[in-house]
Amino acid sequence: KAGVTQTPRYLIKTRGQQVTLSCSPISGHRSVSWYQQTPGQGLQFLFEYFSETQRNKGNFPGRFSGRQFSNSRSEMNVSTLELGDSALYLCASSLRAGSHNEQFFGPGTRLTVL
Amino acid sequence: AQKVTQAQTEISVVEKEDVTLDCVYETRDTTYYLFWYKQPPSGELVFLIRRNSFDEQNEISGRYSWNFQKSTSSFNFTITASQVVDSAVYFCALSEGYYGNNRLAFGKGNQVVVIP
Repeated sequence: KAGVTQTPRYLIKTRGQQVTLSCSPISGHRSVSWYQQTPGQGLQFLFEYFSETQRNKGNFPGRFSGRQFSNSRSEMNVSTLELGDSALYLCASSLRAGSHNEQFFGPGTRLTVL
Repeated sequence: AQKVTQAQTEISVVEKEDVTLDCVYETRDTTYYLFWYKQPPSGELVFLIRRNSFDEQNEISGRYSWNFQKSTSSFNFTITASQVVDSAVYFCALSEGYYGNNRLAFGKGNQVVVIP
């Protein structure tokens, strides 16, 4: 069974631009969560989607948004990029929402903002 | 406030030594789950174990073992007879709430370096 895939793997943007990252969960998994990883703040929860609905949201500004499609694939968008948005963005999938499920992580998208 | 604390940032051991990683958590919920994940240099987080707040039974899986103690809010992880392939960052994480969620609060991680 294929794992979680994320595209692109690497991205370089400049301040003020916007970016869209994509995540395809493991087949059959319906919950997708996003995390930001930086050296200073560590791993921080961004949001979780299930059945095309956002179930949970972390403490991030409104510039960070996401969505989930009917096939469970998810995208996250960051608008008006800032230097501090440079990070590894990790997507995780699990079978369903809630129940403190085991989550399977993708390889991440490394975003660099110049 | 930090919900999960992993005090040691980097730990170096010589191959075949044991290494124990400490994790202290904080929650007001009576129902919660604790996790350990491993992040090798490739960057992908790998699930190791999940424990719920009602199951304090310690577990051994191969060279890995876990010690969960609610009385001290700790969920420690030990690698026995370490190998070079164990070199990675290890994260302890917490998810809270009776109705469940997939929101994980991670500790800062322990960088484990196994020296051959």
